[in-house]
Amino acid sequence: GQNIDQPTEMTATEGAIVQINCTYQTSGFNGLFWYQQHAGEAPTFLSYNVLDGLEEKGRFSSFLSRSKGYSYLLLKELQMKDSASYLCAVRDAAGGYNKLIFGAGTRLAVHP
Amino acid sequence: DTEVTQTPKHLVMGMTNKKSLKCEQHMGHRAMYWYKQKAKKPPELMFVYSYEKLSINESVPSRFSPECPNSSLLNLHLHALQPEDSALYLCASSQEGTGGIHEQYFGPGTRLTVT
Repeated sequence: GQNIDQPTEMTATEGAIVQINCTYQTSGFNGLFWYQQHAGEAPTFLSYNVLDGLEEKGRFSSFLSRSKGYSYLLLKELQMKDSASYLCAVRDAAGGYNKLIFGAGTRLAVHP
Repeated sequence: DTEVTQTPKHLVMGMTNKKSLKCEQHMGHRAMYWYKQKAKKPPELMFVYSYEKLSINESVPSRFSPECPNSSLLNLHLHALQPEDSALYLCASSQEGTGGIHEQYFGPGTRLTVT
């Protein structure tokens, strides 16, 4: 079966660094995505990992270890607008390139 | 243009009504999706269309009926819904085929309330 775990809530201070972890168990792994979702809005794509290692994109980085079933999203130089839910999603190989299984999301609150 | 549009933004319907949600994209994507999202929960996949054909149905009740009239449009027809069907309905699209990231682009959603 599929199982994706991430912390429910996190808080951090403006200007700081925060790491949001995600662990997963899947019958067929075909890539891991991170999405950002502000309250009442659509999820927006942040990053993608399919090979082990770190992908960096400006203030956001994402890491993947396939052997450990583990990923993290690193947010640097936090801004108030980064307060949002962060969704870890695994692409299920059984569904080809089309099936994403989302974790429950981590609600991040950034304080001044 | 990396936009997925959805109409209406909000919909209130009774349990005996028939209504439709609409989704449109002009990115040339050949995969389109319907998701259901309850408050403080992740999106749950309902249907996937690939090249205008239904490829995934996640055991969704028949009161939800998807339709893909062409490669740019995706509809979700609603009939005899229950109050527990109240949720945010998200449409998404992505490229199709192997190779590449194929990230999904989401529309703003339709906030559905069933009374």
